Amino acid sequence: DTGVSQDPRHKITKRGQNVTFRCDPISEHNRLYWYRQTLGQGPEFLTYFQNEAQLEKSRLLSDRFSAERPKGSFSTLEIQRTEQGDSAMYLCASSYGTVYEQYFGPGTRLTVT
Amino acid sequence: ELKVEQNPLFLSMQEGKNYTIYCNYSTTSDRLYWYRQDPGKSLESLFVLLSNGAVKQEGRLMASLDTKARLSTLHITAAVHDLSATYFCAVVPQKLVFGQGTRLTINP
Repeated sequence: DTGVSQDPRHKITKRGQNVTFRCDPISEHNRLYWYRQTLGQGPEFLTYFQNEAQLEKSRLLSDRFSAERPKGSFSTLEIQRTEQGDSAMYLCASSYGTVYEQYFGPGTRLTVT
Repeated sequence: ELKVEQNPLFLSMQEGKNYTIYCNYSTTSDRLYWYRQDPGKSLESLFVLLSNGAVKQEGRLMASLDTKARLSTLHITAAVHDLSATYFCAVVPQKLVFGQGTRLTINP
């Protein structure tokens, strides 16, 4: 397995547009996490899934954000009506249960103009 | 709310010197992670510390965990330029809660 993958790696969009990111976790990992990282800061938790169930959402995840993991494999994160403040690196991570470490994907860098 | 604080936030070292980065967290956690991040890149796992008193070493880096003091340290021995990066500690009730990161620059 080649690790966690994310697509696209870079996205530039105009304010008000919708964007969708995809994350493919390591195949046997049942937990999938989304984090957001702005410049000079540590990653901040957004949401996580165990299999297809979304178990926790951060207050950072406004109504414009939605995440899915329909078959317990890949996940998508959609941002509607993007704002300039959404510009960040969006990181996906996966793990096998809670005990094991999370492996991070390369991230999707979003720039909202 | 769980808080994770790193100290220092910026560290400029000379090659060959030793230094320690500190990570304090506010509530009980028996697992702590250290990650490295190069500019524009994702996070690379360095250490997973699973119990009180755990110590792990990899090359010039050594990490330790004191769950009673809610403190982890990342010690750098005889620094080399290749270690220049941002280092994050993170604790995990369920999701990872990261510190602010320590940007380490090693000068020749």
